[in-house]
Amino acid sequence: ETGVTQTPRHLVMGMTNKKSLKCEQHLGHNAMYWYKQSAKKPLELMFVYNFKEQTENNSVPSRFSPECPNSSHLFLHLHTLQPEDSALYLCASSQVLASTDTQYFGPGTRLTVL
Amino acid sequence: TQLLEQSPQFLSIQEGENLTVYCNSSSVFSSLQWYRQEPGEGPVLLVTVVTGGEVKKLKRLTFQFGDARKDSSLHITAAQPGDTGLYLCAGDLAGGYNKLIFGAGTRLAVHP
Repeated sequence: ETGVTQTPRHLVMGMTNKKSLKCEQHLGHNAMYWYKQSAKKPLELMFVYNFKEQTENNSVPSRFSPECPNSSHLFLHLHTLQPEDSALYLCASSQVLASTDTQYFGPGTRLTVL
Repeated sequence: TQLLEQSPQFLSIQEGENLTVYCNSSSVFSSLQWYRQEPGEGPVLLVTVVTGGEVKKLKRLTFQFGDARKDSSLHITAAQPGDTGLYLCAGDLAGGYNKLIFGAGTRLAVHP
C-alpha cells in the first residue's frame, strides 16, 4: 500500500467509448502525474500537475484529457482511443520542492482498447 | 535517445546467486531512485540516493550512486525467488522540478 489508489484496476473499452480513470493520493502531496507503461518501453510521462495546475503535457494526443480538481485527486478522461493506446496507466504523486523528487505510484489501470 | 541506460535488460538466475544491475547516463542527476515492479502492479520505491558516492543497504540489496552522480548500481546478494520483478532506475535531472527520467528496466527472474 503506497498511499496512492487507482480505479478501475482493469478496463476494456471500444474505440468509440468514453471512460475515465481515477487516482487519489492520501500522502498530502502537492504534485500528481500520469504515466503510460507499454511493453518493452520505458515509462512515458504524460501529464504533470503541481498545486492543481498542469505544468507538463508531454505531446499527448487530445484523446487523453486530464483533470485535477484538487491536489488529492487526478482523472484521465479517455475518448475515441486507438488499440495502440492499450497499456498500463500509472498515477504517481510527490511533494514539490522537497529535497528529493521521490514519486509514489499507484497500482495502475490496465487498459485494453478493442 | 535513452537518457538512462539500464543493463542487463533480462537476468535469469538460480536462488542463492549474486547479481548487479547497472544504470548509466551521460547526464548528472540531483537524485536517483530505484523501484521494483511486480506484474500488474505499480513501481514500489526501494531507495533514493542523493550524494555522489553514497552507498545504501536494504537487507540483501546494496545501492550505490556514482561519484559524479551519473550512474548507479544495485547489487543483490543471495537472490531469492521473492526478488523476482522489474527493477527500474529513475533520475531527477532538474532537482526540485519533479521530472523523473526512467530507464527501460531490468527484468529479473530468480528460480528456486
